[in-house]
Amino acid sequence: GQQVMQIPQYQHVQEGEDFTTYCNSSTTLSNIQWYKQRPGGHPVFLIQLVKSGEVKKQKRLTFQFGEAKKNSSLHITATQTTDVGTYFCAGQGGSEKLVFGKGTKLTVNP
Amino acid sequence: GAGVSQSPRYKVTKRGQDVALRCDPISGHVSLYWYRQALGQGPEFLTYFNYEAQQDKSGLPNDRFSAERPEGSISTLTIQRTEQRDSAMYRCASRGDRANTEAFFGQGTRLTVV
Repeated sequence: GQQVMQIPQYQHVQEGEDFTTYCNSSTTLSNIQWYKQRPGGHPVFLIQLVKSGEVKKQKRLTFQFGEAKKNSSLHITATQTTDVGTYFCAGQGGSEKLVFGKGTKLTVNP
Repeated sequence: GAGVSQSPRYKVTKRGQDVALRCDPISGHVSLYWYRQALGQGPEFLTYFNYEAQQDKSGLPNDRFSAERPEGSISTLTIQRTEQRDSAMYRCASRGDRANTEAFFGQGTRLTVV
């Protein structure tokens, strides 16, 4: 079945450093979504990528969807303490089934 | 309602008891998903519905787990003869359209089997 792998599992950075998390699917995706979960909270939608090679930006966050629509990345420039949380990718294949990766937990040292 | 509502928020049950977890999605949302999330892990897909039809139940761990959404709105996830390994956060999410839209998550039900 469809699997979504995400690395790294943990990332600890100093405030101001950049951060990247990578997502890889075992199958070609129709779209990929990214979510952020704060400690003690629930996953909250950030963005969706649909097109091959698509790049989207939200302030300091840059999201990419691979040409083969099997991988994606999230890059945060100049992290801030408010970026702390776990970032999940979620892939959708041929159906509406949404499969999440295990997430990358980001901690930021002020 | 304004958001996805799950109840109860916390449930402690004895091993062997049955439990029913409820999800009230955002009004009008077509798709409803159930996930299980262990501490420090990502949401693990269990099952999903479009309207009242269960589309995919491939993630249900075994036949003790079942879900229904009889009127295409509120859904119930039932776990029979609970075991300690069933302890986890159970999350429900709904989507407004059948495809290509964001999923809105509820606060979850923390299930503890003792």
